[in-house]
Amino acid sequence: NAGVTQTPKFRVLKTGQSMTLLCAQDMNHEYMYWYRQDPGMGLRLIHYSVGEGTTAKGEVPDGYNVSRLKKQNFLLGLESAAPSQTSVYFCASSYGLTGVAYEQYFGPGTRLTVT
Amino acid sequence: AQSVTQLGSHVSVSEGALVLLRCNYSSSVPPYLFWYVQYPNQGLQLLLKYTSAATLVKGINGFEAEFKKSETSFHLTKPSAHMSDAAEYFCAVRGGGSNYKLTFGKGTLLTVNP
Repeated sequence: NAGVTQTPKFRVLKTGQSMTLLCAQDMNHEYMYWYRQDPGMGLRLIHYSVGEGTTAKGEVPDGYNVSRLKKQNFLLGLESAAPSQTSVYFCASSYGLTGVAYEQYFGPGTRLTVT
Repeated sequence: AQSVTQLGSHVSVSEGALVLLRCNYSSSVPPYLFWYVQYPNQGLQLLLKYTSAATLVKGINGFEAEFKKSETSFHLTKPSAHMSDAAEYFCAVRGGGSNYKLTFGKGTLLTVNP
């Protein structure tokens, strides 16, 4: 099993450009998440999904959109990139049974720089 | 709402010394608690988790953590540090019931000196 994979690993964008980050998991997890990691800030949740066709806002959703058309994939889009979106982006997934302490499995990250 | 405070953004120990990384949480419901480790340029990997079964939890690589409800703490320890333990460590809390989202602390960078 590959676990959680992310594409691309690195990307440099100019301000105003758009891009899509792809996350894929092969563990049949119901829940998927997108985080951003900035120095001294820990991980902050951008958007998440509790199943195919559903998405919801997290802690810092502004400037991002997501889609979950297939259970195994979760896409994060930046429509008009800004320097403040320079960050490392992590995707994660987990099982979704209520009340069970399933951990989240993380991908290797995408390092995005917006100039 | 849940929150996590990790005391000390940077901890430095000598090889062979005790490792103690502190985590205090706030949760309005009985919590599930997690410790993750992040090696340079990698994603997060689960070290251990508390799910209310036992207050002392053993994880991978010789780490363990003790849940203390009265102190709202979940500190991570390892008796003897190795050079390979150098990494950033994150404590996270998840509320019980249907609240499946994790709230992370800001992380503690562990440096191990030879």
